[in-house]
Amino acid sequence: KAGVTQTPRYLIKTRGQQVTLSCSPISGHRSVSWYQQTPGQGLQFLFEYFSETQRNKGNFPGRFSGRQFSNSRSEMNVSTLELGDSALYLCASSFGTLLTDTQYFGPGTRLTVL
Amino acid sequence: GNSVTQMEGPVTLSEEAFLTINCTYTATGYPSLFWYVQYPGEGLQLLLKATKADDKGSNKGFEATYRKETTSFHLEKGSVQVSDSAVYFCAPLKNSGGSNYKLTFGKGTLLTVNP
Repeated sequence: KAGVTQTPRYLIKTRGQQVTLSCSPISGHRSVSWYQQTPGQGLQFLFEYFSETQRNKGNFPGRFSGRQFSNSRSEMNVSTLELGDSALYLCASSFGTLLTDTQYFGPGTRLTVL
Repeated sequence: GNSVTQMEGPVTLSEEAFLTINCTYTATGYPSLFWYVQYPGEGLQLLLKATKADDKGSNKGFEATYRKETTSFHLEKGSVQVSDSAVYFCAPLKNSGGSNYKLTFGKGTLLTVNP
């Protein structure tokens, strides 16, 4: 089975712009979670989508949003980018929700905000 | 603040040495505990997990026991190998209110094993 794939792998944006990141889960997985990884804050949970519905949510502002499509692919959008949004964004998929099933991580998208 | 406290690294050991990486968490709301590992140039992957108190997770010679009385989930391995060199993350699954759950991560511990 192919693993979790994320596109693009690298992205450079400027402050104030918006960005959309994409995640394709492992075939058959219905849950996709998103994480932000920075040197200062470490790995932080953003949200989880399961069967097109947001199931769990971390403590990020409303500028961070997501959605999931009927084929379980997910997108994450960040609006009005700030310098502090520069990070590695990871997505993870699982068959069930993160409460019940093991998550498998993708390689990440490296976002740089200038 | 961070509800997970993980031993800071870096940790440098010789091959066949005993490894302990400490992890403690706040007292309530953790139905499951995980250790994840990130090998150089690779993505995060699950190393082991425990889903209830006194449960022991194990994989690749690593072990960790869910200790509710000490709110700890320390990672141990009796004899490390060079191939164990990686960053290790303790990650309790936390109930953050109602039916909302999130995976919280420690800061990560860089382990280097020398031959």
